[in-house]
Amino acid sequence: DARVTQTPRHKVTEMGQEVTMRCQPILGHNTVFWYRQTMMQGLELLAYFRNRAPLDDSGMPKDRFSAEMPDATLATLKIQPSEPRDSAVYFCASGLTSGSNYGYTFGSGTRLTVV
Amino acid sequence: QQQVKQSPQSLIVQKGGISIINCAYENTAFDYFPWYQQFPGKGPALLIAIRPDVSEKKEGRFTISFNKSAKQFSLHIMDSQPGDSATYFCAARFPGTYKYIFGTGTRLKVLA
Repeated sequence: DARVTQTPRHKVTEMGQEVTMRCQPILGHNTVFWYRQTMMQGLELLAYFRNRAPLDDSGMPKDRFSAEMPDATLATLKIQPSEPRDSAVYFCASGLTSGSNYGYTFGSGTRLTVV
Repeated sequence: QQQVKQSPQSLIVQKGGISIINCAYENTAFDYFPWYQQFPGKGPALLIAIRPDVSEKKEGRFTISFNKSAKQFSLHIMDSQPGDSATYFCAARFPGTYKYIFGTGTRLKVLA
């Protein structure tokens, strides 16, 4: 089965450190999403790309978060500097969007703990 | 107006029973409504989805019922099995985008 690969699976870091999370979308998928999941807020969309172009990053704190797609096989989400309130599970999802309705395939997530 | 309200928060069902999870929305422009299933330590996985011009969609033991006038939709799991124990999320798509807003989730436990 094709799958979305996220690394690392777990990350513990100290407040103020830079954190980089990586995602390898499914080959051929043209849309990539970053979600954050917490008990309090549930699943929140942070940003998404289509054909590697950023379409929406309105859900992302701009001062410390950044998302990029250096190429079609890699998406990154960076937090600098990290804060304890950033502790969450971060999911990447990819899908093929071409005007029809498609669901997305989620990765298994990166569990981030900022202490 | 952009919210999707999901209930119940948790649900316990006996094996073989019917599990019903409900979602309500306010934005009538939402144009696609999927349900996702999430197991611990995994990402959500698409289960079934429906467009607002369809009142019901069935896939195996899973059925979505959609009531456009009431702005509600629900997931029915027939003959629930212990393997169905997971968290279920409804979602709605913003029109003309690829963005979804998710419900808060329902933790389902099916007793053997």
